[in-house]
Amino acid sequence: DTGVSQDPRHKITKRGQNVTFRCDPISEHNRLYWYRQTLGQGPEFLTYFQNEAQLEKSRLLSDRFSAERPKGSFSTLEIQRTEQGDSAMYLCASSSPVTMNTEAFFGQGTRLTVV
Amino acid sequence: DAKTTQPTSMDCAEGRAANLPCNHSTISGNEYVYWYRQIHSQGPQYIIHGLKNNETNEMASLIITEDRKSSTLILPHATLRDTAVYYCIVRSRNSGNTPLVFGKGTRLSVIA
Repeated sequence: DTGVSQDPRHKITKRGQNVTFRCDPISEHNRLYWYRQTLGQGPEFLTYFQNEAQLEKSRLLSDRFSAERPKGSFSTLEIQRTEQGDSAMYLCASSSPVTMNTEAFFGQGTRLTVV
Repeated sequence: DAKTTQPTSMDCAEGRAANLPCNHSTISGNEYVYWYRQIHSQGPQYIIHGLKNNETNEMASLIITEDRKSSTLILPHATLRDTAVYYCIVRSRNSGNTPLVFGKGTRLSVIA
């Protein structure tokens, strides 16, 4: 068990470009969450999957954002036509039915900088 | 929105106990108090949670007042590696499907 893995750790992109991030949850975890965190703020919820089903999306998740978890394992988060306001840390977390009421495990995040 | 209030920042001398307060005056009967921390450039890490009894694990102790309107996270012997942002979160016992709602937390600086 290597924990929640996110790739890449850092991404710099030009405004208007598309970017895609990947999250590999802990292997037996069926729940997967995406959060966004800007400087000085706590993480803000974006979306959540149970297995391959996307069950909840925050109003923060604009039409330019899309997330998938095609086989209920890894997940991708794509941002189209990036804007400078998208610059943030994107965090992924996972939890299992056994520990769902105790803890979620977070990855180290992908730091996006839009220039 | 977060249902908790925490001080923005605190300092603690290395080796001393760090006591981090959290106010959750609107907590309801089926809601737990969770604590996470986030060390710089890392994702949040679970510390402890409790309902009404005091709890202790290898990382910390959680003291919840009798009326459950506030709690204190105690790091008994703070080290420099405990420097982090600490988040107090209130969450329903049966909300395994719902996301954690983070506030701004308390930035703890442990000083040598």
